[in-house]
Amino acid sequence: IAGITQAPTSQILAAGRRMTLRCTQDMRHNAMYWYRQDLGLGLRLIHYSNTAGTTGKGEVPDGYSVSRANTDDFPLTLASAVPSQTSVYFCASSEDNYNEQFFGPGTRLTVL
Amino acid sequence: GQNIDQPTEMTATEGAIVQINCTYQTSGFNGLFWYQQHAGEAPTFLSYNVLDGLEEKGRFSSFLSRSKGYSYLLLKELQMKDSASYLCAVRDSNYQLIWGAGTKLIIKP
Repeated sequence: IAGITQAPTSQILAAGRRMTLRCTQDMRHNAMYWYRQDLGLGLRLIHYSNTAGTTGKGEVPDGYSVSRANTDDFPLTLASAVPSQTSVYFCASSEDNYNEQFFGPGTRLTVL
Repeated sequence: GQNIDQPTEMTATEGAIVQINCTYQTSGFNGLFWYQQHAGEAPTFLSYNVLDGLEEKGRFSSFLSRSKGYSYLLLKELQMKDSASYLCAVRDSNYQLIWGAGTKLIIKP
């Protein structure tokens, strides 16, 4: 692994289903983030983690949960997907919360 | 509220110079970032400004005026590969990034 990876690359999901988006980084960064990107809007922060064992809510956290059990992994879970959660999801990491962020390749999620 | 404004789209000619503006109103200011995002790809870091003035990095330069809530990204000697969206982001008082919607730059031969 080099950098930050996300899985799956894309997914079509039925409304009401549970889904976990995976994110792994090998840069030993302390901070990690989940964003969603929708056409015509800027990236919006869903949840973040400044260090392993801690998480915080961003601008649009409703319907999403995260965990940070270790430094490398930061999964995002949709407990019961709804069509408005159709989006491109980017995971990012940074050495600390005052350094530039590095982004994963994204997951394109469609909820029908 | 917090707000980042950028033009939606700009067009420029290969070999020319283009300036992409960004104005912001945020709760606190702890630096401004510019990112490049090619279609279907992830954003990649271009530049960072925290003090007023110009930061130059090769063909790209970024300027900041904190008193005016204003920044610009200057791209020189444009190449076709510079066709992308350019995202302005401000780090607020909570050290979170507030993002503009991005400026789509179209380069014509």
